Amino acid sequence: DTGVSQDPRHKITKRGQNVTFRCDPISEHNRLYWYRQTLGQGPEFLTYFQNEAQLEKSRLLSDRFSAERPKGSFSTLEIQRTEQGDSAMYLCASSLEGQGRGTQYFGPGTRLLVL
Amino acid sequence: DQQVKQNSPSLSVQEGRISILNCDYTNSMFDYFLWYKKYPAEGPTFLISISSIKDKNEDGRFTVFLNKSAKHLSLHIVPSQPGDSAVYFCAASRDSGGSNYKLTFGKGTLLTVNP
Repeated sequence: DTGVSQDPRHKITKRGQNVTFRCDPISEHNRLYWYRQTLGQGPEFLTYFQNEAQLEKSRLLSDRFSAERPKGSFSTLEIQRTEQGDSAMYLCASSLEGQGRGTQYFGPGTRLLVL
Repeated sequence: DQQVKQNSPSLSVQEGRISILNCDYTNSMFDYFLWYKKYPAEGPTFLISISSIKDKNEDGRFTVFLNKSAKHLSLHIVPSQPGDSAVYFCAASRDSGGSNYKLTFGKGTLLTVNP
């Protein structure tokens, strides 16, 4: 399977704990996006990487959130001091530069529940 | 401010009939539009896209129509099949001069195709 993968698929944590999610994009894709989806809403953009460079962060990404993409391959999204409002589905997508806009292909997501 | 709107939360059609899903947008800078399908517990799956220089794009049973003057697009599925039952998201992007083609999503429409 050469699609986008995300780990873990589910995470339950207590308020105040730190959590980290991982995304492995399609291997040749150099563009990587993180989105967040809450109940009844469409996915909302969080941040964008081109190769290893983080080029844009949404206002939704508070100081408690940090994302990295070392070496331009996999990416991690960390949430520190989780709050109940962080409960959501976190989606990763990747696309290939050079194909115009490049269709974004999504992973299965990580569902976070903060108790 | 919802820049991409899907005003029908749900739609029910009979197998074999046409499904028409609608989407409106407010940001005139959007110039590329996509439809994604999402099953429960999975990430969005790309279906079809259209550039603002076109008014129609067809791929098998799926056709997307774009009316720029009305800022409206629609997805037609003909004939509808029970396996098409899913949440359909309309998404839009704009060329901001860089490489970030982040997507702005609507809230989705739940399509149910009855056998």
